[in-house]
Amino acid sequence: GQSLEQPSEVTAVEGAIVQINCTYQTSGFYGLSWYQQHDGGAPTFLSYNALDGLEETGRFSSFLSRSDSYGYLLLQELQMKDSASYFCAVSYYNQGGKLIFGQGTELSVKP
Amino acid sequence: DGGITQSPKYLFRKEGQNVTLSCEQNLNHDAMYWYRQDPGQGLRLIYYSQIVNDFQKGDIAEGYSVSREKKESFPLTVTSAQKNPTAFYLCASSRASGAQETQYFGPGTRLLVL
Repeated sequence: GQSLEQPSEVTAVEGAIVQINCTYQTSGFYGLSWYQQHDGGAPTFLSYNALDGLEETGRFSSFLSRSDSYGYLLLQELQMKDSASYFCAVSYYNQGGKLIFGQGTELSVKP
Repeated sequence: DGGITQSPKYLFRKEGQNVTLSCEQNLNHDAMYWYRQDPGQGLRLIYYSQIVNDFQKGDIAEGYSVSREKKESFPLTVTSAQKNPTAFYLCASSRASGAQETQYFGPGTRLLVL
């Protein structure tokens, strides 16, 4: 089957670094994406890993290791506005861009 | 400004009623998607369309129907066969249907059953 697992909640303080893990039990996927969703809002794209390794975009970085069936999103210099839900998602080649989402991690940033 | 819009923001359905959720995009994207989100859950794919006049079922298509008569529009009908329709519905689009394409989401429609 296809499933992705993320922690349901993570709490951190402003200015800190937090890592949100995503483990998966699926094969043959093309890439791993991360989306951010503020409460009641539309998800927005953060990062995409097609290859193993680290992708950096400003304060956010994402990592993928296919051999370990594992990825993570790293958020640095946390700000209050980073409080949101974060979803990992896998996409499959030749399946019309179909995304399979994890259940999301709710990040709370405290002062 | 280019973007993706959904209407209405809130929708109330009576028992046995069909309701249609609107999704429009002016991004000139070929691919469009409908997802359902339940509280504290991830997004589950209902239907997707890679190109005009073509669409495929996602993981939870039962009780839903779609059409793709125009490139910019992908309405979703929640039929009376959908016994648990209360959820947050999100429409998305992407430039093409490749696995590496970023999906852009609309603001969503909350459907509630009276």
